[in-house]
Amino acid sequence: GEDVEQSLFLSVREGDSSVINCTYTDSSSTYLYWYKQEPGAGLQLLTYIFSNMDMKQDQRLTVLLNKKDKHLSLRIADTQTGDSAIYFCAESPAASGGSYIPTFGRGTSLIVHP
Amino acid sequence: DTEVTQTPKHLVMGMTNKKSLKCEQHMGHRAMYWYKQKAKKPPELMFVYSYEKLSINESVPSRFSPECPNSSLLNLHLHALQPEDSALYLCASGQEARALHFGNGTRLTVT
Repeated sequence: GEDVEQSLFLSVREGDSSVINCTYTDSSSTYLYWYKQEPGAGLQLLTYIFSNMDMKQDQRLTVLLNKKDKHLSLRIADTQTGDSAIYFCAESPAASGGSYIPTFGRGTSLIVHP
Repeated sequence: DTEVTQTPKHLVMGMTNKKSLKCEQHMGHRAMYWYKQKAKKPPELMFVYSYEKLSINESVPSRFSPECPNSSLLNLHLHALQPEDSALYLCASGQEARALHFGNGTRLTVT
């Protein structure tokens, strides 16, 4: 079955770049997602990438995918204190029809110091 | 603001109470989900409805009873819960392989 691994903690200084890493095991075509969860809130979709892509950029966020190593990263440029949150990596197979079930990593707590 | 609305935001209930959690989405998504999340953990899937039919029940105890009255609404009926059921309950909706959209959850405390 699928498995998604993430490091649990990352601490950075405000203004620096943050890089959060994730590895997954599913070898089929898959979607890969990054979600952000702030305290007391639900999960907010930040960005996603399909497994036939290498990179996706959206403002301060850059997603890099190494398909050979099944390694996904999320880079946040110019990290702000408001970026402090838990970041979940998730993956799901690209099946069509009906519902699908993403597999979540354990989440990386990003702490941004002023 | 989230496009998936959950009520109530907070709920405290005793072990003999009956209560319901409600979820609503108007994005036309055909799949709706209930997740349970403990502190500092990823969400754990409980139930999935697809086209208003229950498609997945992750061996959830019968004290949790889901209901999908129509394609926009999802309820979770609670009865005779235990203190260990205290958690954040998240509703989500999605369309095929696209990303799930989550509500802000109901923080449930069972006393």
